[in-house]
Amino acid sequence: NAGVTQTPKFRILKIGQSMTLQCTQDMNHNYMYWYRQDPGMGLKLIYYSVGAGITDKGEVPNGYNVSRSTTEDFPLRLELAAPSQTSVYFCASSSRDRGFGYTFGSGTRLTVV
Amino acid sequence: GQQLNQSPQSMFIQEGEDVSMNCTSSSIFNTWLWYKQDPGEGPVLLIALYKAGELTSNGRLTAQFGITRKDSFLNISASIPSDVGIYFCAGPETSGSRLTFGEGTQLTVNP
Repeated sequence: NAGVTQTPKFRILKIGQSMTLQCTQDMNHNYMYWYRQDPGMGLKLIYYSVGAGITDKGEVPNGYNVSRSTTEDFPLRLELAAPSQTSVYFCASSSRDRGFGYTFGSGTRLTVV
Repeated sequence: GQQLNQSPQSMFIQEGEDVSMNCTSSSIFNTWLWYKQDPGEGPVLLIALYKAGELTSNGRLTAQFGITRKDSFLNISASIPSDVGIYFCAGPETSGSRLTFGEGTQLTVNP
């Protein structure tokens, strides 16, 4: 099993550009999450989803959008990139069966210049 | 919402030393999880605790679920350079659909 796969691994964006960070999982997990991690800091929840067609805001949703059309995929969209969105983005998934222990992807490092 | 307070924020130790870190909360958790994040990678689950008083080991790592259900401890014995990273504690929020994470303990091991 691949687990949680994130693409791309690295990206440089110019201010005002848009992009989609891809996340897919092959574990049939209902729950999926997007976090950002700034240098030397902890994890901040951007958006999450408890199942296909259902999404909800986390702590820091401004400037981002998500969709969940399938169980496997949970893309994160940045519409108008800003320098404050320079960060490392992690996608994670979980199921109730594992006591909500998350499986994380390896991250996307985004720089906005 | 629920908050988890991790301490210490960072640790600098010599190879071979034992390490202890903890996580506390003002509210009760029914599950405690400990994750490790290697540099440049996503966090990986180390240990999961499901019962108050539970003591669980994973190699040189030992974690305990506090009796009050408001704290948890992680110990690493005989540290080695590959123990370097950020250690996060986490617990399910009362909504049951997501985890609350601590701010992390940054561990540096000097050879």
